[in-house]
Amino acid sequence: NAGVTQTPKFQVLKTGQSMTLQCAQDMNHNSMYWYRQDPGMGLRLIYYSASEGTTDKGEVPNGYNVSRLNKREFSLRLESAAPSQTSVYFCASGRTGLYGYTFGSGTRLTVV
Amino acid sequence: QKEVEQNSGPLSVPEGAIASLNCTYSDRGSQSFFWYRQYSGKSPELIMSIYSNGDKEDGRFTAQLNKASQYVSLLIRDSQPSDSATYLCAVNSGSSNTGKLIFGQGTTLQVKP
Repeated sequence: NAGVTQTPKFQVLKTGQSMTLQCAQDMNHNSMYWYRQDPGMGLRLIYYSASEGTTDKGEVPNGYNVSRLNKREFSLRLESAAPSQTSVYFCASGRTGLYGYTFGSGTRLTVV
Repeated sequence: QKEVEQNSGPLSVPEGAIASLNCTYSDRGSQSFFWYRQYSGKSPELIMSIYSNGDKEDGRFTAQLNKASQYVSLLIRDSQPSDSATYLCAVNSGSSNTGKLIFGQGTTLQVKP
């Protein structure tokens, strides 16, 4: 099925561990985004990639890195996880310009 | 001042009533506006987009935009229990064409049978 695929769906990490969240889209979209969603905070942009080969910081980039591997794939890496990074992470993709996004199903991450 | 503001609710309406959800934004350069629906434990789903002042209707949903007042609203007619969800307002970041969306915190809608 066409859409945005995120893996894993759930993850528990210990403080200081690292991990990579994977995201792939098959809609031929140029732009891809990583958001985190916390209670009372709404969706906050971590990093985005307006096109293949480019990445930029969003509102809350500290503690994260990203890689736009190709047009389809955009990964988010936590180098040294902290409890403050406990959240639900959503990947999204869309056409550049003025159009909305399609979201993946999310990754629920807990850092203990 | 938050860039996109919504009343967090919950907004409770009886089945069959009209639900009215409101959103204000701060960036006058914003050009596109979206409403997403998010069921508990699920990802946001795009339900409406609007780009010009006025109303846009799609089935039971009507989006309204007033750029002069920096105000976007979503009306849901004949509300159903299945409409119970959190509704997120999103606004295009007007400073570039990267397609970045700024989201409000969302309004929780409860439709009571």
